[in-house]
Amino acid sequence: QVQLVQSGAEVKKPGASVKVSCEASGYTFINYAIHWVRQAPGQRLEWMGWINTGNGNTKYSQKFQGRVTITRDTSASTAYMELSGLRSEDTAVYYCARSTATLDNWGQGTLVTVSS
Amino acid sequence: DFVMTQSPDSLAVSLGERATINCKSSQSLLHSSNNKNSLAWYQQKPGQPPKLLFYWASTRESGVPDRFSGSGSETDFTLTISSLQAEDVAVYYCQQYYSSPITFGGGTVVEIK
Repeated sequence: QVQLVQSGAEVKKPGASVKVSCEASGYTFINYAIHWVRQAPGQRLEWMGWINTGNGNTKYSQKFQGRVTITRDTSASTAYMELSGLRSEDTAVYYCARSTATLDNWGQGTLVTVSS
Repeated sequence: DFVMTQSPDSLAVSLGERATINCKSSQSLLHSSNNKNSLAWYQQKPGQPPKLLFYWASTRESGVPDRFSGSGSETDFTLTISSLQAEDVAVYYCQQYYSSPITFGGGTVVEIK
């Protein structure tokens, strides 16, 4: 069955960077894009960007442009999301999700806490 | 960006009764090329990721009970639970994938009355 398993919770100081991984199994990794979505406490789901896992092309939300980098390692069937310049407002659960027409399978989420 | 507005913010429904959630897009989600609307519905339970219920506005994802239905076109969409069960208590989100950036509604909390 399709599974996306994310790395564990992180606590970071303001100004630092965080890198979250998303390991896929149960399907051919390069055949489906991976998106990243975050959910801050009490806020709506917020799309950050996506990667074409076949050719590595990326597209980012303008809100995060310049701070987010999405990459992938096809040999490990793993996608990564790195967010830099962290601030308290970046405290959220970060999800990866596979896309077909839309986001059909999601990782379990990774809590990133930004605190001094 | 496409703005997605859900209503109500929350609703309490008796077991076995109907629950209706509305979602309005600031722009049409209808593709003239295939006559499909790029609108999805998700269910999220506490501590879990969102779960896809419907895509193309009314195509039910595999395994979703048929008491759930999705309808609507262009800018106005509805998710209906025909007979609410205890396991349906959750937050429901609509999402457009017609245009980048993908955007979500604010969510509707469904509770048991």
